[in-house]
Amino acid sequence: DAKTTQPPSMDCAEGRAANLPCNHSTISGNEYVYWYRQIHSQGPQYIIHGLKNNETNEMASLIITEDRKSSTLILPHATLRDTAVYYCIVRSSQGGSEKLVFGKGTKLTVNP
Amino acid sequence: NAGVTQTPKFRVLKTGQSMTLLCAQDMNHEYMYWYRQDPGMGLRLIHYSVGEGTTAKGEVPDGYNVSRLKKQNFLLGLESAAPSQTSVYFCASSYAGLNTQYFGPGTRLTVL
Repeated sequence: DAKTTQPPSMDCAEGRAANLPCNHSTISGNEYVYWYRQIHSQGPQYIIHGLKNNETNEMASLIITEDRKSSTLILPHATLRDTAVYYCIVRSSQGGSEKLVFGKGTKLTVNP
Repeated sequence: NAGVTQTPKFRVLKTGQSMTLLCAQDMNHEYMYWYRQDPGMGLRLIHYSVGEGTTAKGEVPDGYNVSRLKKQNFLLGLESAAPSQTSVYFCASSYAGLNTQYFGPGTRLTVL
């Protein structure tokens, strides 16, 4: 079972920031938070991951709370092409964690 | 780089027929994975491989076999297809088990 809880759907206006929350209250110290997205039945696309510190790359920012029990993925200027299902995944850094456990994710709709 | 490619993109089978799905990656990744995705659900791991000549079972391996004769290719076989195997199949690869997984575009399989 997925170790994360995400809202099933969210809407965002084009050009505005999209903030996608994720709860992972049972996360342990050696587990990373990964974000993937899936655009209209294409293969999942890696976005970003982090352990403790906030992370930023060309696609998004990841904000992890100090207690690590929740995080937020931020798309700073959402476009129509960002409409997708976004998956928050908790993944161990120890061996035996080869698989990614996908939950149902958040369906983000960016509106013009 | 083509990344991860999958052949074929679509296929329709009759119950009891067999087929092989091909996944190829040109990133020199050690690890490769096969997932399936059913409507409204996240991805579930079928089998994976940690290197050439090795394979291991995921969470839903029944009815499938795999082979990794070459590092760049990972084959998924259905010996006797069943309607329950109607799904979208995604292949992924990663440099190592704990690294980011990169996904192919998917194969949409229908078993009648």
